[in-house]
Amino acid sequence: ELKVEQNPLFLSMQEGKNYTIYCNYSTTSDRLYWYRQDPGKSLESLFVLLSNGAVKQEGRLMASLDTKARLSTLHITAAVHDLSATYFCAVGGRKTSGSRLTFGEGTQLTVNP
Amino acid sequence: DGGITQSPKYLFRKEGQNVTLSCEQNLNHDAMYWYRQDPGQGLRLIYYSQIVNDFQKGDIAEGYSVSREKKESFPLTVTSAQKNPTAFYLCASRKEALGQDTQYFGPGTRLTVL
Repeated sequence: ELKVEQNPLFLSMQEGKNYTIYCNYSTTSDRLYWYRQDPGKSLESLFVLLSNGAVKQEGRLMASLDTKARLSTLHITAAVHDLSATYFCAVGGRKTSGSRLTFGEGTQLTVNP
Repeated sequence: DGGITQSPKYLFRKEGQNVTLSCEQNLNHDAMYWYRQDPGQGLRLIYYSQIVNDFQKGDIAEGYSVSREKKESFPLTVTSAQKNPTAFYLCASRKEALGQDTQYFGPGTRLTVL
């Protein structure tokens, strides 16, 4: 059974600071996704990482994937209040199983002025 | 505009009732998914469908049923057998193309049992 663990689950940081969210998963996969969720809203796709060593950046967020370590990171640079949200990583299953996603519990990020 | 729509946005159910949640997409995606989210938790897969007239159970299918008669539509029925249905329900569809493989989510339906 695939397990996905994120840490930390709660993160409070000051504007301007840097921090990293970690996503570990238990079985082999080469597809890793990061989503953002604002309170009461749906999920917004941030990054899709499809190979070992993949790195993608959008604004103050950068995601990377190490399939050998079964680890993905979401790095936040110079945080701003607008980044406050819950961030989920999700690991993709095999296409033979419908490419289903298994989600982590989410990291609730609060950026304080 | 292309996208995924879910209705209703809010739904209230009395105990013992079946209710159906709608999910429609005009993105021409083959695969569609239903997830459940409980407060402070991640998403769990209920059912998924890779093609029309075919669907498979996810991790928490008990008490739910689906149909996939059209490519655009994947309705979810929450039956009276689901003992704790109060949750946020999210529908997704999947785009697969060269260099891409992403699930896009609808706005969600919040179901409350009275």
